[in-house]
Parts: sequence; C-alpha cells; structure tokens
Amino acid sequence: DQQVKQNSPSLSVQEGRISILNCDYTNSMFDYFLWYKKYPAEGPTFLISISSIKDKNEDGRFTVFLNKSAKHLSLHIVPSQPGDSAVYFCAATWGAQKLVFGQGTRLTINP
Amino acid sequence: KAGVTQTPRYLIKTRGQQVTLSCSPISGHRSVSWYQQTPGQGLQFLFEYFSETQRNKGNFPGRFSGRQFSNSRSEMNVSTLELGDSALYLCASSPGMRTDTQYFGPGTRLTVL
Repeated sequence: DQQVKQNSPSLSVQEGRISILNCDYTNSMFDYFLWYKKYPAEGPTFLISISSIKDKNEDGRFTVFLNKSAKHLSLHIVPSQPGDSAVYFCAATWGAQKLVFGQGTRLTINP
Repeated sequence: KAGVTQTPRYLIKTRGQQVTLSCSPISGHRSVSWYQQTPGQGLQFLFEYFSETQRNKGNFPGRFSGRQFSNSRSEMNVSTLELGDSALYLCASSPGMRTDTQYFGPGTRLTVL
C-alpha cells in the first residue's frame, strides 16, 4: 500500500527553467509534508517542508505547494541549476510519527 | 557537530548469512530511524527507536531487528539473508520525539550474493 506516490521516476529540465516535481498521497491523516534531496553515495538531506494548515511555503528558489482536496503536493525549483540534479523524495507524516516516503524522482538539469 | 555516521559503508554477504549494521546519531539526538532503499521502492521504513525503546515498526519480516543503546547508538540486524535484501540501508536521527525532520547518514550498501 503505497501511501505516498511519485509517479514520475525521472524528469529532465533545461538549466534556468522551472522544475516541477509532483507527489500524491492517499492518507488524509497526514499533517506534515517534506521534500528531501539525495545525491549518489550520500544520505537524503532535508530541503523544505509544509504543514497541512498551509498551501504554500517558499524558501529561496524552492517552493512547495499543497492541495489538500486533491491530496497532491508539488515542489517548484526556479531557476533550475546544474547542482539541483539529484533524486528528490517527498515524504509525509502525521502526529510527528514515522515518515512515509515516495519512490523518488530523478531530476536532471541540462546545461 | 558531527553528522550521522554509519558503518560499514559497504558490505557483501551470501544468502543465509546474517549481518549487523551500526548507526551513530548526531550528538544529543535520541531518536534513530532505519530505512531500506531499493530502486523503484523509495525509502521504506524499518523501525524507529527513542531512548532505547522501539516506538514504530514497518512492514518487514521478523528477520529484520534492531536495538538502541543508552548512548543512542543503534544497530540493525538481518538474519538469514535473502537476495532481495540487497539495498541501501539508511539511518536517520532526530533530536527529540518528533521525527518529522530527520538527519540522514550516508547509508550502508548491502549486497547479498
């Protein structure tokens, strides 16, 4: 039972353009959502998060949008840079208990 | 402050053997979680320990077990290894009982032949 789904295994974007990574969830109990970024041979690193009481959170080039009615969140990266090439995981939790991760999306930024 | 460390970084075992992986959390962190990462499956939650007590457990067979010591260091053990256990095993620590923001180690790459 995959409660958090990232349906795009990979995404390729030109440098300077917008990258949009998507994530869907099924459990309406989730109250906190996070995005992690992972480079090869390293553990995931926290990128940005959003509480279920908000619909948008912004941090520099990164913005996360939450649509609770659609059970959908997205991560926007503007402008995309070569260093953004990595695997991105969305994750969700409720009551600050265990994190449930999606399968990941490999983002490649082309020069 | 040192990050989360995991040892060993790479491990090769054969089917039927058992393995123990170690994780040292960030100093002062009391919660340690373990995840299995395989291609196409993302990070799957194994278990979480807080102050030496297992608080949460994922849907893995009993061959997967763990423990946490009084200094918050944690170990996970996999007995009777199967080919499908080949994966990257990640450990993450959190400062308190909340696990919504976790700090990950680099992982242990386990290959089962």
